[in-house]
This record gives sequence, C-alpha cells and structure tokens, in this order.
Amino acid sequence: ELKVEQNPLFLSMQEGKNYTIYCNYSTTSDRLYWYRQDPGKSLESLFVLLSNGAVKQEGRLMASLDTKARLSTLHITAAVHDLSATYFCAVAVTSGTYKYIFGTGTRLKVLA
Amino acid sequence: DAGITQSPRYKITETGRQVTLMCHQTWSHSYMFWYRQDLGHGLRLIYYSAAADITDKGEVPDGYVVSRSKTENFPLTLESATRSQTSVYFCASSAPYGYTFGSGTRLTVV
Repeated sequence: ELKVEQNPLFLSMQEGKNYTIYCNYSTTSDRLYWYRQDPGKSLESLFVLLSNGAVKQEGRLMASLDTKARLSTLHITAAVHDLSATYFCAVAVTSGTYKYIFGTGTRLKVLA
Repeated sequence: DAGITQSPRYKITETGRQVTLMCHQTWSHSYMFWYRQDLGHGLRLIYYSAAADITDKGEVPDGYVVSRSKTENFPLTLESATRSQTSVYFCASSAPYGYTFGSGTRLTVV
C-alpha cells in the first residue's frame, strides 16, 4: 500500500530565507505532483515530475525527484510572503493510473 | 466556463440525513475523483471513476455512495450523515498534467 509522508508539517520562515520541503513515498511510482492550496481555496497544480532526476522550476520554487530514493523535494529560494500556503505532494498509486495518494501537506508561513 | 463545478459550496445537515454533493466537469476527462480534506490527514480519496458506469473505492469509502451515469457528472451521496463526515470535499478530474480540482464543498453535520 502506497504511503506518502511530507515533512515538515508546519514551517514558519522569514522572508529571504531558503528552505526545503520533503516528500517521501513508500512504493515505486512513475509520477509525482506538487500542489499549492491557499486558505479556504482549492488546490492549484504547481509541478509534475515524471522521471528520475527531473527538476522543474517556477519562480522561487524548484521541485526535484529521486525515484531511487522515493523522494521529492520542493525548494524555496528567498521566500516571500506570497508563498505562504499549504503545499501538497501527490504520488500516482501505480504506473499508468490517474489515482493519487496525497501527502498530509506542509503549511508554510513566511514572515515579513 | 470550462472547468469543474461543485455544488453546493456550503452545506449544513443533520445526523442521519441523506445528502448529495454534486460535481460537474465541462471537459470529457475519463477519470473523476472525490477527496475529503481534514486537518492532519491531508486529502484522502473516497471514490474514483475511470469512466461512465465504472467506479471504485478509495481509502475511505465507508458511508459514501457514488454513481456516474454520464461522463460529466460524478455525484457523491452520504447515505446517513454522521458527524465524522464533517469535512471539506473536493471533486477532481484528471488530465495528463495532473488533477483539476473543483472549489470544494464545506459540509457540516450537526
């Protein structure tokens, strides 16, 4: 059974600092997604990672995937207040399926 | 507008009542999903559907029923609502780039 763990669960950081959110999963998978959720809102797709070593970047966020370690990271560079949100990773349950298991989320608060 | 529409946005119901949450997509995505979101649990899959008339259980299906007679609609029914089903419910459809989520339904069972 696929399990997805994120850490930390909560992260409070100052503007301008760097930090990394980790997403570990327990079984082999061919796709991993990162989503952002603002308070009271729906989830917004950030990145899709499809292969070992994949790296995607958008602004101050960079996501990477190591399928051998079953680990994805979401790196935040020089955080700004607008990045405050909850971030989820989601892992495909089996190859070729659209069924995903989500991590518990990391609630990020960037302090001015 | 194209996308996924959930209704209602907010619902308060009493314990033991039946309640149906609606989900409609304007695309023709084959896969549709229902998740519930609770603090400390992230999103948990309730049911999903690979196509019209094809549905399957997710992680937490007990107490829920789904149907999918048409590709564009995927309603979720709580047959006899319990307080533990108080949650935010998200419907999603799947495309190659990932899920597109509806705006969610906040359900409170009193």
